[in-house]
Amino acid sequence: QLQLQESGPGLVEPSETLSLTCSVSGVSIKDEDYYWGWVRQSPGKGLEWMATFSYSETNQYTPSLSSRLSLSADTSRNHFSVKLRSVTAAETAVYYCVRHRGAYVNGYFKPAFFDYWGQGLRVTVSS
Amino acid sequence: EIVMRQSPATLFESPGERVTLSCRASQSVGSKLAWYQQRPGQAPRLLIYDVSSRATGIPARFSGSGSGTEFTLTISSLQSEDFAVYFCQQYSSRPPWTFGQGTRVEMK
Repeated sequence: QLQLQESGPGLVEPSETLSLTCSVSGVSIKDEDYYWGWVRQSPGKGLEWMATFSYSETNQYTPSLSSRLSLSADTSRNHFSVKLRSVTAAETAVYYCVRHRGAYVNGYFKPAFFDYWGQGLRVTVSS
Repeated sequence: EIVMRQSPATLFESPGERVTLSCRASQSVGSKLAWYQQRPGQAPRLLIYDVSSRATGIPARFSGSGSGTEFTLTISSLQSEDFAVYFCQQYSSRPPWTFGQGTRVEMK
């Protein structure tokens, strides 16, 4: 049974870096059939896809956050992480790690929909 | 960026009713559309992908239809556990992959 679990601080100060980790059990994050990512949910912006990681492909980032985001993975621990620099209060949200299922789109195998979600981690940005 | 719009924002229905939720894309997404259900305090759950394919374990009362820019999620007979928020998401072409703002189904 695939499970994803987010971990990280519940409180981050404005202008600091938010670091979150997703621990995956039940499948290897090296499996090239799957992608892994982060989605956040805030009252103001709803559900927002942030970034997607694949063991064998280039990371993908949402354009509005790409200059402040970075993804990494530790395959020995079967977890992946995200760092978001220079956070603001508007980025207070619940952060979910997800399995970003691949599908053929216009003939290419690409990340598509989100078929597994972690329980979510509520992060408040405040001093 | 493809903008997804859902209507209505809130729907008041009774158990046993047939419910129809709408999702519109700002440009064609073909058949690359998914629906999610989010119950209070829980993470979203995948219901439907590729417009009309039910995810594993999803009851047959949930069905999806549409293509291009107009899509519909139908719940044939509303159950108590179906009172939740529903989101659509497109995954056509390049990122960002985007969600609608959600439709809340509440008990009348």
